[in-house]
Amino acid sequence: AQSVTQLDSQVPVFEEAPVELRCNYSSSVSVYLFWYVQYPNQGLQLLLKYLSGSTLVKGINGFEAEFNKSQTSFHLRKPSVHISDTAEYFCAVSAGGTSYGKLTFGQGTILTVHP
Amino acid sequence: GAVVSQHPSWVICKSGTSVKIECRSLDFQATTMFWYRQFPKQSLMLMATSNEGSKATYEQGVEKDKFLINHASLTLSTLTVTSAHPEDSSFYICSATNLGRQYFGPGTRLLVL
Repeated sequence: AQSVTQLDSQVPVFEEAPVELRCNYSSSVSVYLFWYVQYPNQGLQLLLKYLSGSTLVKGINGFEAEFNKSQTSFHLRKPSVHISDTAEYFCAVSAGGTSYGKLTFGQGTILTVHP
Repeated sequence: GAVVSQHPSWVICKSGTSVKIECRSLDFQATTMFWYRQFPKQSLMLMATSNEGSKATYEQGVEKDKFLINHASLTLSTLTVTSAHPEDSSFYICSATNLGRQYFGPGTRLLVL
């Protein structure tokens, strides 16, 4: 079984400031890692994912995340946020094989970007 | 890109009634779809895996007789909340996998009075 912990439930930042949303996971097997964004009244959108290879993953909208196996973390970063980045962000993990697609989500982090 | 739709987007019903939620993959075929539930201020929790042509696989703690799942075709899965009660009020989200990527529907908000 897997579990995901997002360490911050809310993160307020000013526009053009950098931001880091923290995510830690635990699993007894190798996992795939994902970050999703949910805008109000919309479905989840994939920001980025780590399946294998380079531990630094670049996604859409200028976001990136780094997989750290020793610290079991997958923190999401953006060097300069915009008002439009205001949304809720979910970190998720999935095992491979027949369990791929069955996602375990973190509690979510609400990012609020202030002008 | 691939699109997953849900219908209805929101529904209000009386306690004791049944509610059906549809999940459709609009431009791809999905042999497997997933149903999640999200309570207010909580994360999404996987309820069940919907398999086309066979029975759904439910996660631990999810009542299969209460949450009936039917994957009637390669583009449609339905979730029926039977004899709904106020505690079933939640945001129900489906997803489908296409070419290794997960696509989520916009969700259905259910309010049981």
